[in-house]
Amino acid sequence: GENVEQHPSTLSVQEGDSAVIKCTYSDSASNYFPWYKQELGKRPQLIIDIRSNVGEKKDQRIAVTLNKTAKHFSLHITETQPEDSAVYFCAASSPMNRDDKIIFGKGTRLHILP
Amino acid sequence: DTEVTQTPKHLVMGMTNKKSLKCEQHMGHRAMYWYKQKAKKPPELMFVYSYEKLSINESVPSRFSPECPNSSLLNLHLHALQPEDSALYLCASSQVGRATSYEQYFGPGTRLTVT
Repeated sequence: GENVEQHPSTLSVQEGDSAVIKCTYSDSASNYFPWYKQELGKRPQLIIDIRSNVGEKKDQRIAVTLNKTAKHFSLHITETQPEDSAVYFCAASSPMNRDDKIIFGKGTRLHILP
Repeated sequence: DTEVTQTPKHLVMGMTNKKSLKCEQHMGHRAMYWYKQKAKKPPELMFVYSYEKLSINESVPSRFSPECPNSSLLNLHLHALQPEDSALYLCASSQVGRATSYEQYFGPGTRLTVT
């Protein structure tokens, strides 16, 4: 089955700098890659997603890149702000999975330092 | 309405109690999910309902019993739980795809404590 590895587990960046979180997946059939942000005590919320027919997607300060050959995808946050502090989960889903089961990475705790 | 609601927000129960968690969505989604999330861990899939039928049970102990009364509601019945079952229980919903996947919308969760 699918396995998603996520690095780093913890990341501290100075406010205004960029943050990058990387994930790898094992199932070459995976074709949907969402990123969720979870603030302390809150629900996970989708911040961006990418499908396998696209190499990059951007939404304001957030971008995701996908390298299908290497089976890895990354989240890029530019001009980080205090409200970006949260846990970020990458995930992967394959059409071979039954009923849209998505596999989560273990998460990255992002700290934005003042 | 793009919201998934869950009740109660908090629940404390003894190991001999029977309680139920409730989840509701009005987005017309035909897939609904239960996840268990421990502190500092990703959500862990428990059950998936697709078109009101149980399609995935991730080998969850029988003390957790899901129910999908209609396309908008999802329940999780709890009985004889153990302290290690204490966690945040998240409900989610999504459209159903055959060749692709769709965003899962999560509810705020029920914080369960088993004493």
